[in-house]
Amino acid sequence: EPEVTQTPSHQVTQMGQEVILRCVPISNHLYFYWYRQILGQKVEFLVSFYNNEISEKSEIFDDQFSVERPDGSNFTLKIRSTKLEDSAMYFCASSELENNEQFFGPGTRLTVL
Amino acid sequence: AQSVTQPDIHITVSEGASLELRCNYSYGATPYLFWYVQSPGQGLQLLLKYFSGDTLVQGIKGFEAEFKRSQSSFNLRKPSVHWSDAAEYFCAVVPPEYGNKLVFGAGTILRVKS
Repeated sequence: EPEVTQTPSHQVTQMGQEVILRCVPISNHLYFYWYRQILGQKVEFLVSFYNNEISEKSEIFDDQFSVERPDGSNFTLKIRSTKLEDSAMYFCASSELENNEQFFGPGTRLTVL
Repeated sequence: AQSVTQPDIHITVSEGASLELRCNYSYGATPYLFWYVQSPGQGLQLLLKYFSGDTLVQGIKGFEAEFKRSQSSFNLRKPSVHWSDAAEYFCAVVPPEYGNKLVFGAGTILRVKS
């Protein structure tokens, strides 16, 4: 069964460093998403991406964040200068159609020291 | 405020007992409704969804959910819980006219005692 994959599973970085979180969505899906879950808090939407551009973003997704689909399979989330409060589990998701069920990857746990 | 509420943070049930997890939403129109499950160290797995039609929906792993418009609820049920059902359960919605982002409830942690 096709699934969303994410790498790495755990990333530790120093405050102020750049990180790139990688995702491989399900191959025939057209819509891609990033969510995050700070420990003990709700899963929060960050950004959605369709047709090589951002279709929606939350207020969390400020200028420090960017997304890219560098090739036909990968979807990345970059945090330019990490802050302590960026420590969270980051989930990638994809869906075949708009407003359809989203399939989630296993997540990347980001720890900013 | 527009939101998704899961009033129970933790629920403990005995193996073989029935289960109901509550979810309420507050939006002007009916959103698309979902239940996801997250086992420790795993991603979010979709259990079931409701877009329209029959208000009782069947999902994977023997779960079902009932949409009640009058109560703005979408409660998840299972007639007989197995120890492997221990996990965290999230209700989520795609709000009407809000694009396709998922808005999650806070989650309910299910413990199963033998």
